[in-house]
Amino acid sequence: SQTIHQWPATLVQPVGSPLSLECTVEGTSNPNLYWYRQAAGRGLQLLFYSVGIGQISSEVPQNLSASRPQDRQFILSSKKLLLSDSGFYLCAWAGTRSGNTIYFGEGSWLTVV
Amino acid sequence: GESVGLHLPTLSVQEGDNSIINCAYSNSASDYFIWYKQESGKGPQFIIDIRSNMDKRQGQRVTVLLNKTVKHLSLQIAATQPGDSAVYFCAEESGGGADGLTFGKGTHLIIQP
Repeated sequence: SQTIHQWPATLVQPVGSPLSLECTVEGTSNPNLYWYRQAAGRGLQLLFYSVGIGQISSEVPQNLSASRPQDRQFILSSKKLLLSDSGFYLCAWAGTRSGNTIYFGEGSWLTVV
Repeated sequence: GESVGLHLPTLSVQEGDNSIINCAYSNSASDYFIWYKQESGKGPQFIIDIRSNMDKRQGQRVTVLLNKTVKHLSLQIAATQPGDSAVYFCAEESGGGADGLTFGKGTHLIIQP
């Protein structure tokens, strides 16, 4: 069966510091991968998605970036965090055909102070 | 732009009662719909899905109804239990694009003892 893992689960970072959230998927190959952000009490905002190694599509302009160095690895990064980057970040995967469910990781709580 | 929305942000029901969570969508081209459950501090979990060629689908204690005429989606939970307390999101996919699903803001279901 497929599993998705992301880490760290929680982190507190000062403004201006770098960020690296990692996500890996097991049990599937060539998945579509996603990074979402969820502000407190809000819905899910798609940040990035990837259909293959090295292929990244950005949905919103921001100081975050994503990379996919391996087929089942997706990384969310920032060189300098802003206070507004605080939130709950979710990695997700889906099959490549249409009508495929998106499955989420457990999330990473980021607090920028 | 077109989006998925929810009629009620919070729904409170007595334990053992049935609950109905509603969702309105505006993209008539959407052909795949999913309900997710998100418990506090966790990632959304898949509950049930339905394709546009169906109007009803049943799972264990859950039923999803799709009314394409009025672009309305609902999730019925039978005999609610304390563990059903969570935020429920509907999501839609249109066009089969790799950019995934469009999510509603969520309904917070509260189960009263």
